[in-house]
Amino acid sequence: RKEVEQDPGPFNVPEGATVAFNCTYSNSASQSFFWYRQDCRKEPKLLMSVYSSGNEDGRFTAQLNRASQYISLLIRDSKLSDSATYLCVVARGGFKTIFGAGTRLFVKA
Amino acid sequence: SQTIHQWPATLVQPVGSPLSLECTVEGTSNPNLYWYRQAAGRGLQLLFYSVGIGQISSEVPQNLSASRPQDRQFILSSKKLLLSDSGFYLCAWSAGTGGEKLFFGSGTQLSVL
Repeated sequence: RKEVEQDPGPFNVPEGATVAFNCTYSNSASQSFFWYRQDCRKEPKLLMSVYSSGNEDGRFTAQLNRASQYISLLIRDSKLSDSATYLCVVARGGFKTIFGAGTRLFVKA
Repeated sequence: SQTIHQWPATLVQPVGSPLSLECTVEGTSNPNLYWYRQAAGRGLQLLFYSVGIGQISSEVPQNLSASRPQDRQFILSSKKLLLSDSGFYLCAWSAGTGGEKLFFGSGTQLSVL
């Protein structure tokens, strides 16, 4: 079993739609959680950190459920520019940060 | 502000040839440095990390090695490339003592033919 698992998608949504991505992690000792965005053939870029209380950044909302070892990302009012791969990232402490394989999103006009 | 530079952007090398990829960070001191590899359609795999000059931790046995000759310089090397070494190589840095967010260089697409 992979340490961080994501639905690979792809998710195909129209502009303006709301879309949600889920991620599960297996190591209960994991300490830090992030969502990264990766465009094709580019480096991953930090989208947002994920906090236990949940957090929001504009159209993006991230939630963490430590009991279920589950992380989510909600994108509201999708834009064409949101088309990318979204990586769920879990840090166990130390320097071993684990990346999920990513969920691909295509937003269509 | 901090910046990370990685080069070259693309590289095509024959099997059995050597490899040297370089990464430098500006605007911070004593960063943690990382080399990741991403195979096509796959997640990022941590290859090496370094918490200081000359300190290298290897995560997977492989045909590659890493060195940190200066505080803000991280080098990925191979003496003889294999076909399986093809992939997208990413250098990254973080601050602190681990578990923090990573910031990536622009990556090197390596094709071994």
